[in-house]
Amino acid sequence: IAGITQAPTSQILAAGRRMTLRCTQDMRHNAMYWYRQDLGLGLRLIHYSNTAGTTGKGEVPDGYSVSRANTDDFPLTLASAVPSQTSVYFCASSDSSGSFGANVLTFGAGSRLTVL
Amino acid sequence: GQNIDQPTEMTATEGAIVQINCTYQTSGFNGLFWYQQHAGEAPTFLSYNVLDGLEEKGRFSSFLSRSKGYSYLLLKELQMKDSASYLCAAMDSNYQLIWGAGTKLIIKP
Repeated sequence: IAGITQAPTSQILAAGRRMTLRCTQDMRHNAMYWYRQDLGLGLRLIHYSNTAGTTGKGEVPDGYSVSRANTDDFPLTLASAVPSQTSVYFCASSDSSGSFGANVLTFGAGSRLTVL
Repeated sequence: GQNIDQPTEMTATEGAIVQINCTYQTSGFNGLFWYQQHAGEAPTFLSYNVLDGLEEKGRFSSFLSRSKGYSYLLLKELQMKDSASYLCAAMDSNYQLIWGAGTKLIIKP
C-alpha cells in the first residue's frame, strides 16, 4: 500500500441497500476526509476526522456515517442508499501538524457509486 | 455565503501559456490551493498561496491577491499531458476547504 487505498473502485447498488466504502492510508496522517464529487459542482465534504476516535460533520453529512477506530482506516457507510447518492467518492488525508504541510490533501483514487 | 468561481472550460495550444482565474468569497481566509485532476483520477496538489504575490514552481505559477479575493494559475510551455481539470480551493477561518467546480483545460496540438 502506498498512500490511500479505496475500495471498491466502482459499485452499482440498489436503492435501500446498505453500503460501506473503505479507505485505508499508510502515511500515519492524523486527519482524514470523505468528499463527494458531482459533475458541475466542487468537491463537497461529507465527514471528516481530525484524529483517531473523533469525527465531524461536513457540508453534506445526511445519509452518511463514518467511524475512526484507528489512524489508518476511515470507512464511509450509506445506511440506506438513495439515487441522489450516486457520485464519485474520494477519501483524503492530511498531516495535521499545524504547519502549511498540514493542509495539503492526499486523495485516494475514488469510488464510483451508482444507486439505482 | 462562501463561494468559489472559476471558468468551466478553457482551450489552449500546445507550447502556449494559459491563465486560469479563480475568485473566492469565504468567511475568513487561510490560504488558496490549486489541485490538478486528470479525467477519472484523484486530485493532486499543485500550489498553495497565503500571502499576496506570485509563487513559481517550474512551468506552473500561482498568484494571490487577498484584497481582491482573486487568484490565478499560470501554466507555461503547455504540454498535452496538462489536459486536465484544475481545481481552486480556499481555506476558511475554520480551516475547511471550499472548492470550486474546476476548470477543464483542453490542450490542442
